[in-house]
Amino acid sequence: QVQLVESGGGLVKPGGSLRLSCAASGFIFGDYYMSWIRQAPGKGLEWISYISGSATTIYYADSMKGRFTISRDNAKNSLDLQMNSLRAEDTAVYYCARGSITWDYWGQGTLVTVSS
Amino acid sequence: EIVLTQSPGTLSLSPGERATLSCRASQSISSSHLAWYQRKPGQAPRLLIHVASSRAAGIPDRFSGGGSGTDFTLTISRLEPEDFAVYYCQHYGSSPYTFGQGTKLEIK
Repeated sequence: QVQLVESGGGLVKPGGSLRLSCAASGFIFGDYYMSWIRQAPGKGLEWISYISGSATTIYYADSMKGRFTISRDNAKNSLDLQMNSLRAEDTAVYYCARGSITWDYWGQGTLVTVSS
Repeated sequence: EIVLTQSPGTLSLSPGERATLSCRASQSISSSHLAWYQRKPGQAPRLLIHVASSRAAGIPDRFSGGGSGTDFTLTISRLEPEDFAVYYCQHYGSSPYTFGQGTKLEIK
């Protein structure tokens, strides 16, 4: 069955960096677009970015451009999100999900807390 | 950016009843690019409906979506105990792909 497992979350100081990973299994990873989506405490879901199966197409929400970088390693069935210059408002649960603009499978999420 | 407003915020119903959830967009959504998700506590969101009215794979036929333009609905014809959850609408007609704030469907 399809499984997506995020890792890499934790506590980071404002201005710091963090790299999230998502391990995928149960499907041909390289055949699918993948995305990152987040949900801040008490807030709604927010799409961050997607990447095509071959990594040739990458798209970010305007508010995420410049600080976040999505990447993937199809040999390892892995999706990453590099987050730089983190701010308190980046505190959220980060989900990886299969798909580009709709998402049929999601992981359980990993919590990122940005605080001094 | 398209803002999606869901109503009601909380809906209290009993198993066996019919649930109607609303999602209103701040501007028309092209080609009915509207999806619905279900989320239960401690679980990942689950895609229910896409293109406004097409059920995703494995979704029971008691779930149906409708609407166009700026007004969309999710209907659950006869509530089962496992249907009590939070429901989100999401548009994907243009970036950014935004979500509604959610409707909590709770047992009365």
